[in-house]
Amino acid sequence: QKEVEQNSGPLSVPEGAIASLNCTYSDRGSQSFFWYRQYSGKSPELIMFIYSNGDKEDGRFTAQLNKASQYVSLLIRDSQPSDSATYLCAVMVRGGSQGNLIFGKGTKLSVKP
Amino acid sequence: DAGVTQSPTHLIKTRGQQVTLRCSPKSGHDTVSWYQQALGQGPQFIFQYYEEEERQRGNFPDRFSGHQFPNYSSELNVNALLLGDSALYLCASSRKPGQSYEQYFGPGTRLTVT
Repeated sequence: QKEVEQNSGPLSVPEGAIASLNCTYSDRGSQSFFWYRQYSGKSPELIMFIYSNGDKEDGRFTAQLNKASQYVSLLIRDSQPSDSATYLCAVMVRGGSQGNLIFGKGTKLSVKP
Repeated sequence: DAGVTQSPTHLIKTRGQQVTLRCSPKSGHDTVSWYQQALGQGPQFIFQYYEEEERQRGNFPDRFSGHQFPNYSSELNVNALLLGDSALYLCASSRKPGQSYEQYFGPGTRLTVT
């Protein structure tokens, strides 16, 4: 059973702080990793994807991937109240033509003004 | 640039009935995947369509079926509805397999089964 694990939170950070969201996955052969943001009552929005070990930065977001540890994280710098949402980690199943994404349950982030 | 669209937005059905949900992919995309998201859970993969054929299927019963049309739009059909089918149904579109891996979701259809 291929799994993606996330801390459900809630994770509470003050405005302007760095929020750190973590995710582990069970399939060592996974190659593609995604972070989605989901506001309450809305659909998931793709905010980052990473395919290679290391860091990938896009504005205030940094995705980090460590395949040896089967670990992927998302850092949000200068957190804003508008970042308050559930963040879903998704991993593409190895061998799938293009996913078949396996999602974690999500981490709820709350940014306090 | 038109994003992924889904209809209807909300739907209320009775146990045993059948339902059809519709999805149009983002401009330039030709692959459609369907997911079910129960409250408090991450989305679960139902199946994926490319070139009008079901290419992959998740762990869902045969009551769940689909179709893709020549214009790349897709339908999800669920027969013999159960209370447990109540969920947010999400459609995601992407480029053809091998071109890219990113999937973009539509706004979803909220299905309530009573």
